[in-house]
Amino acid sequence: QVVLTQSPSASASLGASVKLTCTLSSGHSSYTIAWHQQQPEKGPRYLMKINSDGSHSKGDGIPDRFSGSSSGAERYFTISSLQSEDEADYYCQTWGTGFQVFGGGTKLTVL
Amino acid sequence: QVQLVESGGGLVKPGGSLRLSCAASGFTFSDYYMSWIRQAPGKGLEWVSYISSSGSTIYYADSVKGRFTISRDNAKNSLYLQMNSLRAEDTAVYYCAKYCSSTSCYIDYWGQGTLVTVSS
Repeated sequence: QVVLTQSPSASASLGASVKLTCTLSSGHSSYTIAWHQQQPEKGPRYLMKINSDGSHSKGDGIPDRFSGSSSGAERYFTISSLQSEDEADYYCQTWGTGFQVFGGGTKLTVL
Repeated sequence: QVQLVESGGGLVKPGGSLRLSCAASGFTFSDYYMSWIRQAPGKGLEWVSYISSSGSTIYYADSVKGRFTISRDNAKNSLYLQMNSLRAEDTAVYYCAKYCSSTSCYIDYWGQGTLVTVSS
């Protein structure tokens, strides 16, 4: 079964950039993943999906300062020009026939 | 625009039952697979179940298999989750989510969630 690993926390300063990582378990490096944002006391929001070749497609209204990339078994989500409203939990997700899997989430703090 | 509105959550005793609903609008509901995902208080997201566009294909997480039943009514643009034999560990916010189209699979819209509390 595929497992997604995320760092529990990350932090960066207002206006800076931050790169979050989601690592696919061994043997599953070809999987497409999706990133979702969950602001405090809100439901999740789809941000983008990232294929193994690094191509990605964003959800409706997702700003240009949000981007994604890929390298091997790692899928990245980068935020540039950090804003206070970017402080949230970020989850990666993958799926297949009969299952969906979420990473443990990364809590992003904007300093 | 796409809207998913869950309802039916509440307080229920261990061993009890509850039926959640999700009203969908803003897209052709019958064209999409749908999912239920939950989040226990202070915890991460956990997939619960998904159902194909026609309702003919259904999968469950092991943690709910045999106790929960997912269903849909395409004429009413509605998704359901019947939860039986509820346990304290089923306490969570339950989200419905729009999942696969005919060409690609990923969750691209979420509801706002409904809270289920299992406690005596």
